[in-house]
Amino acid sequence: EAGVAQSPRYKIIEKRQSVAFWCNPISGHATLYWYQQILGQGPKLLIQFQNNGVVDDSQLPKDRFSAERLKGVDSTLKIQPAKLEDSAVYLCASSLLNSVGIEQYFGPGTRLTVT
Amino acid sequence: AQKITQTQPGMFVQEKEAVTLDCTYDTSDQSYGLFWYKQPSSGEMIFLIYQGSYDEQNATEGRYSLNFQKARKSANLVISASQLGDSAMYFCAMREGRAGGFKTIFGAGTRLFVKA
Repeated sequence: EAGVAQSPRYKIIEKRQSVAFWCNPISGHATLYWYQQILGQGPKLLIQFQNNGVVDDSQLPKDRFSAERLKGVDSTLKIQPAKLEDSAVYLCASSLLNSVGIEQYFGPGTRLTVT
Repeated sequence: AQKITQTQPGMFVQEKEAVTLDCTYDTSDQSYGLFWYKQPSSGEMIFLIYQGSYDEQNATEGRYSLNFQKARKSANLVISASQLGDSAMYFCAMREGRAGGFKTIFGAGTRLFVKA
């Protein structure tokens, strides 16, 4: 089966510009996650969707970050305006269900550099 | 407070030897899951092994085993017969319940270097 797809793989922007990332989860996976991984750290959950509803966005900087999951499939994560500290890898993951033992499948990530 | 602690920023191991990567966690939930992921330099996160809080047996997956000590809240990863391809970052993660769903928290990771 096809894995989690993300695009673009790399993006370089200047501070105060906007950027958007796209994620296509594994077919049939109801739960979708966006993580931010700053260099040298573990991934940090930004937002979690169950179908097209938000389950957890407690760590999403809502003044500049937004995300949506239309029709419960693809998702986009947007940053506007970007700051230097947003430089990171943005990982999208999906899982079949939202339960304690379920494995998450990760995409290749988008590496964002803000100059 | 740190939920997942990985105290070893970097580890070296000789090829074909075994290595243990440490992980301690903190939760008040009775039901939770513990995961280990591998992240090579290419960046993708690869699932290695899972241990449920109610599982009495330690999980094993090929050369990977999880040394689960519930009372000590530790979930160490043991890699047997290390290979050069095992050189990567390794992340311990815990999944616990929250209102509306489950949340996964990752540790800071341990970088493993396998020497020929």
